[in-house]
Amino acid sequence: GENVEQHPSTLSVQEGDSAVIKCTYSDSASNYFPWYKQELGKRPQLIIDIRSNVGEKKDQRIAVTLNKTAKHFSLHITETQPEDSAVYFCAARGGGADGLTFGKGTHLIIQP
Amino acid sequence: SQTIHQWPATLVQPVGSPLSLECTVEGTSNPNLYWYRQAAGRGLQLLFYSVGIGQISSEVPQNLSASRPQDRQFILSSKKLLLSDSGFYLCAWTLAGGWETQYFGPGTRLLVL
Repeated sequence: GENVEQHPSTLSVQEGDSAVIKCTYSDSASNYFPWYKQELGKRPQLIIDIRSNVGEKKDQRIAVTLNKTAKHFSLHITETQPEDSAVYFCAARGGGADGLTFGKGTHLIIQP
Repeated sequence: SQTIHQWPATLVQPVGSPLSLECTVEGTSNPNLYWYRQAAGRGLQLLFYSVGIGQISSEVPQNLSASRPQDRQFILSSKKLLLSDSGFYLCAWTLAGGWETQYFGPGTRLLVL
């Protein structure tokens, strides 16, 4: 089955700086890669996703890149703000109705 | 628009007691439905998924079972809870197909004592 590795487990950045979280996946058939943000005690919320026919996607301060050859994808957050502090999860899914395989999460801390 | 509900929101149960968690989706037909578990401070683990009424796929062997008695209802059950069943249980749905975004319900926080 699919295996997703996520790094780092904790990331502390100064407010206004950029943050990058990286994930690798094992199943070359995976074709959908979402990123979720989870605040303490709440459900994961989708912040951006990318499909395997696209190499990069951007939404305001958030961008995701995908390298299918290397089987890795990354989340980039620019101009970080205090409200960006949360746990971020990457995930991968193969074709069909398969559920998502998640990374173990990155605790992002924005230092004022 | 689509909405997903879970109940109860919080549950404290003794070891060995039964469990029934319910998830319902509104505003869509024939969704794919999923149950995930998140242990404290950990990632999300897929437990079950369903592509239609009565169709259940299990991802990991465990003390739990799932059922889908109606198109938009997904139930997670156990006959006898274990301490290790404690966690945050999340139901999720997608439109049918492999490219669709997955949305999570509000979750049920289960503590087994």
